[in-house]
Amino acid sequence: QVQLVQSGAEVKKPGASVKVSCKASGYTFAHSDINWVRQAPGQGLEWMGWMNPYNGEVGYAQKFQGRATMTRDTSTSTAYMELSNLTSDDRAVYYCSRHIEGGTGQGYWGQGTLVAVSS
Amino acid sequence: QSVLTQPPSVSGAPGQRVTISCTGTSSNIGAGYAGHWYQQRPGTAPKLLIYGYTNRPSGVPDRFSGSKSGTSASLAISGLQADDEADYYCQSFDSSLSAWVFGGGTKLTVV
Repeated sequence: QVQLVQSGAEVKKPGASVKVSCKASGYTFAHSDINWVRQAPGQGLEWMGWMNPYNGEVGYAQKFQGRATMTRDTSTSTAYMELSNLTSDDRAVYYCSRHIEGGTGQGYWGQGTLVAVSS
Repeated sequence: QSVLTQPPSVSGAPGQRVTISCTGTSSNIGAGYAGHWYQQRPGTAPKLLIYGYTNRPSGVPDRFSGSKSGTSASLAISGLQADDEADYYCQSFDSSLSAWVFGGGTKLTVV
């Protein structure tokens, strides 16, 4: 079965960077885009961007251009999302997700990774 | 402010039917891009409820249905159950932003 397992919670200082991992299993990693979505406390879902694991092609929401970097390691079927220059506004749960077969709806989600930013 | 507009909250009694609207523009829902609905319970990841505006993934009860008209989409939940209490989000692609966008979310309360 398809599974996305994310790395554990992180606490970072303002100005630092964080790198969240998302390990995929149960399917051919290269065949499905990975999306990243975040959710600040008490707020809604915010799409950050996507990555094609086959060729590394990426696309970012304008808000995260220049600050987010999405990469992958095909040897371990793992996707990464790195966010730099963190501020308190970046405190959120970060999710990776994958679309269902034959559609673009995100039918598979990681469990989420809480990133806290505190001095 | 979200590109897709949802009511902040809706409520209904057990057994009743409720609908949640998602209003977009000619750059997203009205442009013919795919639209989806998600259910999110507190402390958990979102769950895909409806994809392509009207299709249910395997395992989603037929109490949940979706529709689309013009620049808007709707999610209907019939036979409300206490377990349906959750936040619901719509999603579509926006061509002017070249990005997937979510609605602001709707909190469903079963009273």
